[in-house]
Amino acid sequence: QKEVEQDPGPLSVPEGAIVSLNCTYSNSAFQYFMWYRQYSRKGPELLMYTYSSGNKEDGRFTAQVDKSSKYISLFIRDSQPSDSATYLCAMKSTGTASKLTFGTGTRLQVTL
Amino acid sequence: DTAVSQTPKYLVTQMGNDKSIKCEQNLGHDTMYWYKQDSKKFLKIMFSYNNKELIINETVPNRFSPKSPDKAHLNLHINSLELGDSAVYFCASSLGRTGQWTQYFGPGTRLTVL
Repeated sequence: QKEVEQDPGPLSVPEGAIVSLNCTYSNSAFQYFMWYRQYSRKGPELLMYTYSSGNKEDGRFTAQVDKSSKYISLFIRDSQPSDSATYLCAMKSTGTASKLTFGTGTRLQVTL
Repeated sequence: DTAVSQTPKYLVTQMGNDKSIKCEQNLGHDTMYWYKQDSKKFLKIMFSYNNKELIINETVPNRFSPKSPDKAHLNLHINSLELGDSAVYFCASSLGRTGQWTQYFGPGTRLTVL
């Protein structure tokens, strides 16, 4: 079993829809949770960064972390065709040589 | 200005060859990383350097050798390339070595071994 599980999709939604992307994890040492967006043939770019449990909102994006359930979510409101990309969740612990552990990514397609 | 840059962007080579990938960051960060992304888009850490010191060394064949001449540069040399080395290799950097620091990624180097 992988440390971080993420549905690979693809997920296809119409423009304007609310998108929900999720990851589950098994390592209770994870304290920092991130969502990266990766366009085709590009590097991952950081979208949201959350420490421990709770919600964080940035424009159309909301990140939620539920450490008790080991479950994180990314919501995209009013989705746009430009949101079409692969979304990678990533997590890390507070260790002195902390590495990012990624999910496999969910491919999202927002259609007109 | 490019924050994390990698060269080359594409690399096509024959099995058995030796090749290098270079990475540079101009963010003033002190920690740099190499990740490998396979054909299924799974990103996995390979190495990390903090101030030229190797701090993460995952289970990677010893044909892969990182080198950090200074904290703004991290290179990856691969000996005796194999078909299974075909992947996209990403360099990343962060301000510190511990968990709270955000990692910024380069554009990737797409390696194809024939």
